[in-house]
Amino acid sequence: AQSVSQHNHHVILSEAASLELGCNYSYGGTVNLFWYVQYPGQHLQLLLKYFSGDPLVKGIKGFEAEFIKSKFSFNLRKPSVQWSDTAEYFCAVNGDSWGKLQFGAGTQVVVTP
Amino acid sequence: DAGITQSPRHKVTETGTPVTLRCHQTENHRYMYWYRQDPGHGLRLIHYSYGVKDTDKGEVSDGYSVSRSKTEDFLLTLESATSSQTSVYFCAIKGEGGNNEQFFGPGTRLTVL
Repeated sequence: AQSVSQHNHHVILSEAASLELGCNYSYGGTVNLFWYVQYPGQHLQLLLKYFSGDPLVKGIKGFEAEFIKSKFSFNLRKPSVQWSDTAEYFCAVNGDSWGKLQFGAGTQVVVTP
Repeated sequence: DAGITQSPRHKVTETGTPVTLRCHQTENHRYMYWYRQDPGHGLRLIHYSYGVKDTDKGEVSDGYSVSRSKTEDFLLTLESATSSQTSVYFCAIKGEGGNNEQFFGPGTRLTVL
């Protein structure tokens, strides 16, 4: 069965620390990969996406992610987090022509001042 | 923000009653999706639509039905609400073509007592 797993459910870190969130997927064939963010009380917003080309993708708010095909991974990184990065982060994968997304369970990130 | 609205935004209902949630878009996108968000599960696909009157089941479709009689509206119906359907429901839309991401609506918080 196709699945997406995010390794950390909760992460707590201080401002200016570096952040890395893991995402692994199990899909055969070509995939499109996404990271979405959900700030408290808000809807999901796209952070970044990978469809093809350079496996290192840059998104909004200083986030980037690296697609490693051999490891079926798409990890999210940010070199220096801010308090405003407190949110829940979701990795999602699309592997079909209908655009359906399979989401990971999410990682709650809390950044302390 | 993409032109997606959901109504109602909050609803409390009783077990056994039918409930209909509405998703309305102004983008004229072909693809529309309904997800539910539950702690520890991320978002899971309930139903999706790839055009007027064209719908299909997602991962967690039991107890839900959908209709799409117009491009702009995608309705989700809980035929007989149960407490396990207490959740936050998100609608999403996607444009034509492979290199497009989904945009999410603001969500509907449904409580079934």
